[in-house]
Amino acid sequence: DIVMSQSPLSSPVTLGQPASISCRSSQSLVHSDGNTYLSWLQQRPGQPPRLLLYKVSNRFSGVSDRFSGSGTGTDFTLKISRVEAEDVGIYYCVQATQIPYTFGQGTKLEIK
Amino acid sequence: QVQLVQSGTEVKKPGASVNVSCRASGYIFATYGISWVRQAPGQGLEWMGWISVYNGNTNYAQKFQDRVTMTTDTFTNTAYMELRTLTSDDTAVYYCARGYRRLDYWGQGTLVTVSS
Repeated sequence: DIVMSQSPLSSPVTLGQPASISCRSSQSLVHSDGNTYLSWLQQRPGQPPRLLLYKVSNRFSGVSDRFSGSGTGTDFTLKISRVEAEDVGIYYCVQATQIPYTFGQGTKLEIK
Repeated sequence: QVQLVQSGTEVKKPGASVNVSCRASGYIFATYGISWVRQAPGQGLEWMGWISVYNGNTNYAQKFQDRVTMTTDTFTNTAYMELRTLTSDDTAVYYCARGYRRLDYWGQGTLVTVSS
């Protein structure tokens, strides 16, 4: 199974400041079809997960442009340009290149 | 708008089975698969598998291969996930999500508690 490792596991951020979360996979996430199936999810307290980005950098419908994704192969990053109070929650990366799909441990974003 | 509405909380005894439903609306049901993901209390997310609504093909995580069955009913636009031989380790919130590789809409979750 592909192991997904996120860092940091906890990220205290000042409102209005940027935040960055790293996600590393134990093997390349480039699929034989040429796509890289790496997504980012946000889970606010008490809520189901919500899709933010898919195929590394594609923002899902309705997602603020403060969220951006980058990376290739085994190293990926989620960036929030200016953190707002509503961004508090846990962020997960997930790979869907190889079955079983696997998630990172989650990164808890909190306000300083 | 796309919505996935799941069935309510379940309490089961060890060894029993649970059947969680997920009713979809706001899109053509057969054009997307349904995936199932679970989350134990205070823990991260775990992928269980997916089902093609179009042809019924399934792909289960090996961990659940012997105990899970995913089905769909295209007349009621509902997906089902049955998990058998429950143990306390199966206590979790179970989510359905639309799609295979891109899980774009999620149900609200169904809490399944396994306790004697």
